Amino acid sequence: QKEVEQNSGPLSVPEGAIASLNCTYSDRVSQSFFWYRQYSGKSPELIMSIYSNGDKEDGRFTAQLNKASQYVSLLIRDSQPSDSATYLCAVNPMIYNQGGKLIFGQGTELSVKP
Amino acid sequence: NAGVTQTPKFQVLKTGQSMTLQCAQDMNHNSMYWYRQDPGMGLRLIYYSASEGTTDKGEVPNGYNVSRLNKREFSLRLESAAPSQTSVYFCASSDYRDPNTEAFFGQGTRLTVV
Repeated sequence: QKEVEQNSGPLSVPEGAIASLNCTYSDRVSQSFFWYRQYSGKSPELIMSIYSNGDKEDGRFTAQLNKASQYVSLLIRDSQPSDSATYLCAVNPMIYNQGGKLIFGQGTELSVKP
Repeated sequence: NAGVTQTPKFQVLKTGQSMTLQCAQDMNHNSMYWYRQDPGMGLRLIYYSASEGTTDKGEVPNGYNVSRLNKREFSLRLESAAPSQTSVYFCASSDYRDPNTEAFFGQGTRLTVV
């Protein structure tokens, strides 16, 4: 079983809709969770990080974490065509201050249609 | 700030040739990573270095070696390139001591093995 799993998509939503991206992970000791956005031909860039159960909001983006269910999600409200990209979920199973490795899911391709 | 710098950006190798991908970061980060990205596969961890002087295998280490030359530099070597190693390679760095840490990525190296 892959450590971090995402639906590969593509996920297509109309402009202005809510896009919902999901991620599950297998390592229960995981402490840090990240969502990266990657445009075609470019490097990944961080959108959101989350460490505690619950919701974390930043502008149009909301990350949700449920450690009991080993589930992380990203909601994009009022989706724009510029949000069209691949979204990568990443998990760091590190124990704080002891280092660790950053493991990525396979990414979900999002297409926002005007 | 330069951030994470990778060289070269593009490379074509013949099967059996060797090469070293260079990576340097100027953010004083402890941890550095090498990933490969293939279509539909997300980012797969090849090797990582949690701190200067240590290296560990990731998900797909076969056919690769790494050297953490100092705190700034982390190189990836292909001793005998194979067509299966055709991919986009990303170097990244992070500071695991910071609970809000994110990984910063280089611009990528597009490698083709013929």
